[in-house]
Order: sequence, then C-alpha cells, then structure tokens
Amino acid sequence: GAVVSQHPSWVICKSGTSVKIECRSLDFQATTMFWYRQFPKQSLMLMATSNEGSKATYEQGVEKDKFLINHASLTLSTLTVTSAHPEDSSFYICSAMIRDRDSYEQYFGPGTRLTVT
Amino acid sequence: GEDVEQSLFLSVREGDSSVINCTYTDSSSTYLYWYKQEPGAGLQLLTYIFSNMDMKQDQRLTVLLNKKDKHLSLRIADTQTGDSAIYFCAESPGGGGNKLTFGTGTQLKVEL
Repeated sequence: GAVVSQHPSWVICKSGTSVKIECRSLDFQATTMFWYRQFPKQSLMLMATSNEGSKATYEQGVEKDKFLINHASLTLSTLTVTSAHPEDSSFYICSAMIRDRDSYEQYFGPGTRLTVT
Repeated sequence: GEDVEQSLFLSVREGDSSVINCTYTDSSSTYLYWYKQEPGAGLQLLTYIFSNMDMKQDQRLTVLLNKKDKHLSLRIADTQTGDSAIYFCAESPGGGGNKLTFGTGTQLKVEL
C-alpha cells in the first residue's frame, strides 16, 4: 500500500513553454501533498504544501505564479511550471501524507526529471 | 530555521555494518525519519522514531536517538551492495506538524 505515482517520469521542454506534472496517490486518499525540488547531489527543498480544496502554501522564495499547484481531488495534485527557463531544470518530487495513529508519514513519488532547453 | 546535517559520504565493505549520522537543531522535532534514495528515483521511507524514544530496531536497521545532543544515527547491519544509495534523515516539528526538513544526504557505497 501507500503508493504514489508521478507523471511524466521525465520531460524535455523548450524555454518559455509550460509543463504540468501530476502526482497521484494510488491506493489511499491524501488531503495533503507536498512538492519538493532536488538539484543534483543536493537535498530536497520543500516548494509548497498542497491541500485538497484550498490554495497551496508556498515556501519562502518560491514564486507561486510560476509554480502553479492544483489539488483538485483527494488523489491528485498537479504542479505546473509556467514559462519554464533552463534554471527550472531539476528533479521534482511529490509526496502524499498519511496519518498513521500518532505519526505522520510521507510517501514519495518516483520523481519527474524536467529539462528545459 | 531548522538545520539538519549529515556527512556526505560513507564507504563500507559488504557484510560490515554501516552507521550514518545526522544532527539537527530544532529542539521541537517530534518525528525523525530515515529515507533511502536510489539513483534517479524518489525517496523510500525506511523507518522513523518518535522523539521520546532512544532506539528503534527494524530487521537490519537500528535507529539511535540522542535527544540531548540532537543526534540521530542509522545503523545497517550486514550491509549489502543493494544498500548503496543516498540516505536522508529528516525531521518534523512538534505539535503534529508535518513539514519535513531534510538533511544534506549521505551517499553510502558498499564495496565487495
């Protein structure tokens, strides 16, 4: 159980275009999902918290107009990188949160490699 | 803000034990996690520990927590080549908070 998928696995796009990445919880419902960004050989940096039915909460320094997040259902959150530029090239990972008795656990998707040319 | 640090690299021989260390600064951390990331993949939750625990064992994995020193370690017994990966510790604040702050990651290389 607790499987999270992402689509696409990798994408190459031209500078100035927009790219949508999907994050799905396959066998559970998640009211909260998270979007992270990881640069090569670096740790994960939280970009935003996505809550079903409400606006996402963005971390300091993350442009909400550039990284649009929509959490339209309990199993799907999307991240749209608008007007992508080469510096947006990165590995984007989502996670979905489950509350298990007294703890919160995050299950991560396999990630999406975005390359902007 | 919170700060979580790890050593960058660890090399061990197959069959030996590996110990990966992590230090954190947020004294309100309630949950502490260990994740494994294989090349080009997402993160796999290995184990977690509550801040009121000193130790947790799960098969080959042993987590030790020294809350006074804000030091967390992950011991992998009988390390195998399949354990080669990057290991991240992460902490989540108290009060049922769910934001994770990740460490810098430790690359574990298992040699034959």
